[in-house]
Amino acid sequence: GESVGLHLPTLSVQEGDNSIINCAYSNSASDYFIWYKQESGKGPQFIIDIRSNMDKRQGQRVTVLLNKTVKHLSLQIAATQPGDSAVYFCADLGYQKVTFGTGTKLQVIP
Amino acid sequence: DTGVSQNPRHKITKRGQNVTFRCDPISEHNRLYWYRQTLGQGPEFLTYFQNEAQLEKSRLLSDRFSAERPKGSFSTLEIQRTEQGDSAMYLCASSLVHYNSPLHFGNGTRLTVT
Repeated sequence: GESVGLHLPTLSVQEGDNSIINCAYSNSASDYFIWYKQESGKGPQFIIDIRSNMDKRQGQRVTVLLNKTVKHLSLQIAATQPGDSAVYFCADLGYQKVTFGTGTKLQVIP
Repeated sequence: DTGVSQNPRHKITKRGQNVTFRCDPISEHNRLYWYRQTLGQGPEFLTYFQNEAQLEKSRLLSDRFSAERPKGSFSTLEIQRTEQGDSAMYLCASSLVHYNSPLHFGNGTRLTVT
């Protein structure tokens, strides 16, 4: 994958509200994306993935949306909880390796 | 715990010393990756193995860095003549060889070079 970047470095959300984290990618040939969550002192943890033949995929409290026209991804977290505080990365997985952006830090306000 | 395991979790060393880190991947995973992460940045790709073969190395991997995966299971990453700029979190990940198979990461080794 090529450049994968995020729009905002920090996002503050009230506990219980929904969070939306955005991501842009530049390689129009990218066809598989992953969202990772990284807590302080830990490695990135797989949250959810989406293939380019899908527009939306839902998991437990998380939804990923893919807009191939504008090369944009978003991660929606429903009913944000303090345990959701972390840095979130979108990543582009090509055949051989994952390319990460800088990440968005999600701060949950109690 | 059947996840990716990395040892040690923390390593403090003096400049000029050699260090070695170990990674034990998820047992059925053919591919093993090394990434480096500095504060506030996303992980940067260093190298990866498919079974015991090292298939790609980043330009970030200077000649002071060497990685091995001798039997296609665990891997080691050695840094010779460490420099302060080597201070970072070194992350290992593993995956199946299939296309669109996500990487699963360990919790990393935090290296501090004094």
